Amino acid sequence: DQQVKQNSPSLSVQEGRISILNCDYTNSMFDYFLWYKKYPAEGPTFLISISSIKDKNEDGRFTVFLNKSAKHLSLHIVPSQPGDSAVYFCAASAIAGGNKLVFGAGTILRVKS
Amino acid sequence: DSGVTQTPKHLITATGQRVTLRCSPRSGDLSVYWYQQSLDQGLQFLIQYYNGEERAKGNILERFSAQQFPDLHSELNLSSLELGDSALYFCASSVGAGAYTEQFFGPGTRLTVL
Repeated sequence: DQQVKQNSPSLSVQEGRISILNCDYTNSMFDYFLWYKKYPAEGPTFLISISSIKDKNEDGRFTVFLNKSAKHLSLHIVPSQPGDSAVYFCAASAIAGGNKLVFGAGTILRVKS
Repeated sequence: DSGVTQTPKHLITATGQRVTLRCSPRSGDLSVYWYQQSLDQGLQFLIQYYNGEERAKGNILERFSAQQFPDLHSELNLSSLELGDSALYFCASSVGAGAYTEQFFGPGTRLTVL
């Protein structure tokens, strides 16, 4: 039962353009959503998060959008840089679940220079 | 460098064997989490400890067990290993145990069961 889904295994974009990574969830109890970035041979690192009371959160080149009615969130990276090439994981948690994170399968982003 | 250390980096063993994975949290963090990432899947939550006590449990197999010691390091024990246990095992730590507390991940231990 995949509660968090990232349907695109990979995405390739040109340097300087926008990267859009998508994530869908099924559990209505989720109230906090996160994006993690992972380079090879390293653990995931926190990138940006959003609470369910918001529909947008911005941090520099990274913006996360949340559409609760569609149970969908997306991560926008503008402009994309070659150093952004990594695996991006969407994760969600519910306050009732403590701090347990439920992860999607990840999307490999390649930014071409 | 997240400050979370995991040993060993790689582990190759045979079916039926038992292994122990070790995790040292960031200095000052009281909570430790274990996640399993199998091929082409997301990280699956296994178990959480907070200051030595089990705090939350995910879909952890009965063949797996974990503990957190007084110095706050944690060990994940995997026994009667099967081919399907081959995966990356990540440890994470956080200051607190409650919701919305940022988790910092170690580099993982890659387990290969032959």
